[in-house]
Amino acid sequence: KQEVTQIPAALSVPEGENLVLNCSFTDSAIYNLQWFRQDPGKGLTSLLLIQSSQREQTSGRLNASLDKSSGRSTLYIAASQPGDSATYLCAVNTGFQKLVFGTGTRLLVSP
Amino acid sequence: NAGVTQTPKFQVLKTGQSMTLQCAQDMNHEYMSWYRQDPGMGLRLIHYSVGAGITDQGEVPNGYNVSRSTTEDFPLRLLSAAPSQTSVYFCASSTNPGTSNEQYFGPGTRLTVT
Repeated sequence: KQEVTQIPAALSVPEGENLVLNCSFTDSAIYNLQWFRQDPGKGLTSLLLIQSSQREQTSGRLNASLDKSSGRSTLYIAASQPGDSATYLCAVNTGFQKLVFGTGTRLLVSP
Repeated sequence: NAGVTQTPKFQVLKTGQSMTLQCAQDMNHEYMSWYRQDPGMGLRLIHYSVGAGITDQGEVPNGYNVSRSTTEDFPLRLLSAAPSQTSVYFCASSTNPGTSNEQYFGPGTRLTVT
């Protein structure tokens, strides 16, 4: 059974820092991996989607990498801002768009 | 496009009551799904549909029914609500389920069963 783990569970950094969020999964047979952002009491916003054949994707200050063979993905956030404060979720697609989610990393960026 | 919409936003039920959570999308997506989110746990898949008339079970289907009569709508029915079904429910959709496409999530329905 696929399991997804995110470390750390919570992270607090001062504004301007570069930071890395980690996601690991137990079964490398995935179709893609998606990073989401969730604000308190809100839905999920897709940040980046990495196909299983890709190594990384970039969008603005965000860069996500994927190492399928080792079951790891990282989300790199450059020059963090208070507006980046949210919970970040990673999810792997196990087939037919069925997603298995991690429990998330709660990020707080202080001014 | 409104994207994925869900109603209601909040609902309180008594044990044993029934209700339907509504989900609709206007992006002509074939694939739709329902997840529940509980504290300390990742989102878990309840049911999904790869097209009108086709549904299947996810990881935690017990206590929930679904049907897909149109491409746009994918309602989730609770026939006899239980306190264990207190959760936040999210609906999601994406294009062609046979490919690896981005999924879009609705704003969620927060359900409390007393």
